[in-house]
Amino acid sequence: AQSVSQHNHHVILSEAASLELGCNYSYGGTVNLFWYVQYPGQHLQLLLKYFSGDPLVKGIKGFEAEFIKSKFSFNLRKPSVQWSDTAEYFCAVLPSSGAGSYQLTFGKGTKLSVIP
Amino acid sequence: EPEVTQTPSHQVTQMGQEVILRCVPISNHLYFYWYRQILGQKVEFLVSFYNNEISEKSEIFDDQFSVERPDGSNFTLKIRSTKLEDSAMYFCASKRREAKNIQYFGAGTRLSVL
Repeated sequence: AQSVSQHNHHVILSEAASLELGCNYSYGGTVNLFWYVQYPGQHLQLLLKYFSGDPLVKGIKGFEAEFIKSKFSFNLRKPSVQWSDTAEYFCAVLPSSGAGSYQLTFGKGTKLSVIP
Repeated sequence: EPEVTQTPSHQVTQMGQEVILRCVPISNHLYFYWYRQILGQKVEFLVSFYNNEISEKSEIFDDQFSVERPDGSNFTLKIRSTKLEDSAMYFCASKRREAKNIQYFGAGTRLSVL
């Protein structure tokens, strides 16, 4: 079975600082990878996704993530965070082989607090 | 932009009581899911539902849990006799058939079992 590890429980940054949130997964086959964000009181929103092709994927609001297959990693980055990025960020994996399994496996989440 | 809607946002219940958590998936979606997140832990898959039947369920989804799509728009999760350890945030999600594994989530229902 697959699993996802997010290394940081809570990250506190000042505005304009650069962000990198770590995500590692374990699974023997090919995967689809996702980052979701949850702003306070709101639903989980898809930030970006990787299915295949260019391992550097760009998402909404200036976020990007790089899939490094050899490291089983899919770290989230943003060059300059804003106060409005304060939220909880979840990394998730889905085996791409299908076989009827569409359940996402999530990491524990990383809470990001951006100080103005 | 259409959203998955969940009600109530917070449900408080006594241990042993039945609760029903409600979800309205996005209207043209065909796959439906429930996940839960116990405080401080990971978001965990509970069950997936397609074509009016459960397609997959986790070990968590035991006989105390059931799902239903009673009227073509709502998707409900019922817990027959709640336990303290059922206290969690419950997320509903839905997906189009063509969406290549992109699931859209609701804001969640926080269930507190006292």
